[in-house]
Amino acid sequence: GEKVEQHESTLSVREGDSAVINCTYTDTASSYFPWYKQEAGKGLHFVIDIRSNVDRKQSQRLIVLLDKKAKRFSLHITATQPEDSAIYFCAARNMGYKLTFGTGTSLLVDP
Amino acid sequence: NAGVIQTPRHKVTGKGQEATLWCEPISGHSAVFWYRQTIVQGLEFLTYFRNQAPIDDSGMPKERFSAQMPNQSHSTLKIQSTQPQDSAVYLCASSLSGAEQYFGPGTRLTVL
Repeated sequence: GEKVEQHESTLSVREGDSAVINCTYTDTASSYFPWYKQEAGKGLHFVIDIRSNVDRKQSQRLIVLLDKKAKRFSLHITATQPEDSAIYFCAARNMGYKLTFGTGTSLLVDP
Repeated sequence: NAGVIQTPRHKVTGKGQEATLWCEPISGHSAVFWYRQTIVQGLEFLTYFRNQAPIDDSGMPKERFSAQMPNQSHSTLKIQSTQPQDSAVYLCASSLSGAEQYFGPGTRLTVL
């Protein structure tokens, strides 16, 4: 089955800098890649996704890049703010519906 | 739109007791998913319903775990004879089309 590796377990940046979180996947059939944010004691909050028919997607300060050849995708948070501090999870989905998640990246934005 | 509702938010059971977790999906969403989150295993898929029918339960432990969706407004996850290793946060998500999944706040189950 699909396996998703999330490369950074922790990430610390200064407010205003960019943060980059990288994930790789194994199943070439995967075609949908969402990102979720989790704050302490809360559920997962959807932030952005990308489908395999594009290689870049932007929503305000969030940019997702997808490299299908390398089976790699990444989340870029630009102009970080303290409220961006949270755990971020990447995920992948193939033709089915279940998501396979990475292990999470704890992002700390220092004011 | 209240989002996905999960009750209770916290549940403590003794070893061997039964636990029932409830999920109310977003109104109009036809797909409901259950996941489990632990420190050791991370986020794991358990089961999935579409239009109330069970579609994929490949992540469900074969014994003691069962899930149902008796109507479009709620789903339950039942764990019989709970064991300490069942302690986790159980997350329910719903989706309109199976793509973007919206998660509830989770139920933290603690088995003593």
